[in-house]
Amino acid sequence: EVHLVQSGAEVKKPGESLKISCKGSGYTFTSYWVAWVRQMPGQGLESMGIIYPGDSDTRYSPSFQGQVTISVDKSTSTAYLQWNNLKASDTAMYFCARGVQLQRPSPFFDSWGQGTLVTVSS
Amino acid sequence: AIQLTQSPSSLSASLGDRVTITCRASQGISSALAWYQQKPGKAPKLLIYDASSLQGGVPSRFSGSGSGTAFTLTISSLQPEDFATYYCQQFITYPLTFGGGTKVEI
Repeated sequence: EVHLVQSGAEVKKPGESLKISCKGSGYTFTSYWVAWVRQMPGQGLESMGIIYPGDSDTRYSPSFQGQVTISVDKSTSTAYLQWNNLKASDTAMYFCARGVQLQRPSPFFDSWGQGTLVTVSS
Repeated sequence: AIQLTQSPSSLSASLGDRVTITCRASQGISSALAWYQQKPGKAPKLLIYDASSLQGGVPSRFSGSGSGTAFTLTISSLQPEDFATYYCQQFITYPLTFGGGTKVEI
């Protein structure tokens, strides 16, 4: 069974750094994309970016380019989302999701992590 | 980026009702559309991909249709566990984008 398990909730101050994780199991980690999706309080879903663990090919959505870094550690089947300078506006729930690419240029998401709540407050 | 516009943004329905949600794309996306269900405090769940393919384990009362720029998600007979927010997502090109969501309420 496919599982994506995310790291726990975080409370940070503005200006601090943070790296959250998403560990995949039950499938060949290097053969599927992993995406990060933001959901701000009471709002909808926003795709932040996506990485292919097999070759670390990474695509960022324009709104998030330069604001976050997505990476992966193949040896531990773990994907990461990192900030170097958190802002209060980064307060949100962050989901990772497994991307399935079926004869299309880009993937949809068939399995999701449980979410990591990030709170940024002074 | 391709914009996806869902309508309505919310709707009230009763058990047993037939519910239809629409998703319109700002440009043609063939059938590269997925639908997700999200309940409060939970991760989204894939319902439909390729506009009309039912994900394994999803009840057959859910169905999807459409291609190009206009798509629909239909729930044939609303059940208590279907009260949730529904999102469409296009996967024809990057950046991947979601619709704004449709909240289905009693």
